[in-house]
Amino acid sequence: DAKTTQPPSMDCAEGRAANLPCNHSTISGNEYVYWYRQIHSQGPQYIIHGLKNNETNEMASLIITEDRKSSTLILPHATLRDTAVYYCIVRLGSGTALIFGKGTTLSVSS
Amino acid sequence: AAGVIQSPRHLIKEKRETATLKCYPIPRHDTVYWYQQGPGQDPQFLISFYEKMQSDKGSIPDRFSAQQFSDYHSELNMSSLELGDSALYFCASSSDRGLNTEAFFGQGTRLTVV
Repeated sequence: DAKTTQPPSMDCAEGRAANLPCNHSTISGNEYVYWYRQIHSQGPQYIIHGLKNNETNEMASLIITEDRKSSTLILPHATLRDTAVYYCIVRLGSGTALIFGKGTTLSVSS
Repeated sequence: AAGVIQSPRHLIKEKRETATLKCYPIPRHDTVYWYQQGPGQDPQFLISFYEKMQSDKGSIPDRFSAQQFSDYHSELNMSSLELGDSALYFCASSSDRGLNTEAFFGQGTRLTVV
């Protein structure tokens, strides 16, 4: 079963930052937080992952709370092409399957 | 950069027929995962392989089987197809020689059972 809770939908204006929250209150110490997104019927796309430190890459930033019970994915300047379903997934690490729950449908509008 | 390749991209089969889906992982990736995504649903994990051995099992029906070959490509075999098997089937691959590596997905095979 998925171990995360996300809001079902969010809206964002183009050019603004999109902040997508995720609750994972039962996360264990050796589990990572992964974020993927899926643009209509395409294969899920990896965005970012982290263990306990905040992470940033060319796509997004990941902020993990100190108690690790929640995290926020930040898309700094959302574009129309960022409209997708975003999945927050808790995973033990390499070799273990990604278990998808109910993600957040992000709608970016102009 | 090379990505995960799935074939065929589209497949139409009749009820009770069999289907074989293929997945070619990213070079040097040793782990393959299979997922099923029905219409309007989230991807469901079916099965995974590491170094040609089954490593994890999800909600894969008994009518389905899969294997990973010596060149690391994988095949998902589906028999006695039912209308409810119509879905997108995704394959993902990852390298498990390191820690906390990400998995990359292919573009999927759309299976339609009529």
